[in-house]
Amino acid sequence: NAGVTQTPKFRILKIGQSMTLQCTQDMNHNYMYWYRQDPGMGLKLIYYSVGAGITDKGEVPNGYNVSRSTTEDFPLRLELAAPSQTSVYFCASSYATDPNQRLFFGEGSRLTVL
Amino acid sequence: QKEVEQDPGPLSVPEGAIVSLNCTYSNSAFQYFMWYRQYSRKGPELLMYTYSSGNKEDGRFTAQVDKSSKYISLFIRDSQPSDSATYLCAMSPNSGGSNYKLTFGKGTLLTVNP
Repeated sequence: NAGVTQTPKFRILKIGQSMTLQCTQDMNHNYMYWYRQDPGMGLKLIYYSVGAGITDKGEVPNGYNVSRSTTEDFPLRLELAAPSQTSVYFCASSYATDPNQRLFFGEGSRLTVL
Repeated sequence: QKEVEQDPGPLSVPEGAIVSLNCTYSNSAFQYFMWYRQYSRKGPELLMYTYSSGNKEDGRFTAQVDKSSKYISLFIRDSQPSDSATYLCAMSPNSGGSNYKLTFGKGTLLTVNP
């Protein structure tokens, strides 16, 4: 099983550029999430989705957009990149009814904005 | 006061040592407690899951929750170099289906020296 796959793994952007981080999962999970992880700051939820066509903001949504047109895919769009968006981005997914609330994470996308 | 406090370390121990990792929290609504392990340049993976107060053991790992003190711990016995990773605590007020309400600690970086 591939699990959660993120692309690209690394990217350097210039200030003001836009890009999309791709995320796909093959476990038929209902829920998908985007987190960012800054050094020494833990994981912060950006956006999440409880199913195709449904998305909602997390703790730090400003400067980002998402869509969920299929169960498998949950891309994260960065518009007008800023240095504050330099971070490691993790996509995750989970079963809605998993009593252990287990999140399955991708390997991360390292983004640098210069 | 932050909702979840976790000492970022770093923590360095010799192989075979008993390791104690801890988190404190302020939100009394938290009922579900998790520990995730994150190897360098990888996504986090669920290590332990506990509900309410008490202990849970899995091999060399023991998770302990003291709700009266709002304090959770992860103990690693006979630590191995392969245990070297960042350990993140996470907690939630609800069971499965509400993973977007997970609150993560900042993570503790552990190094086990051979």
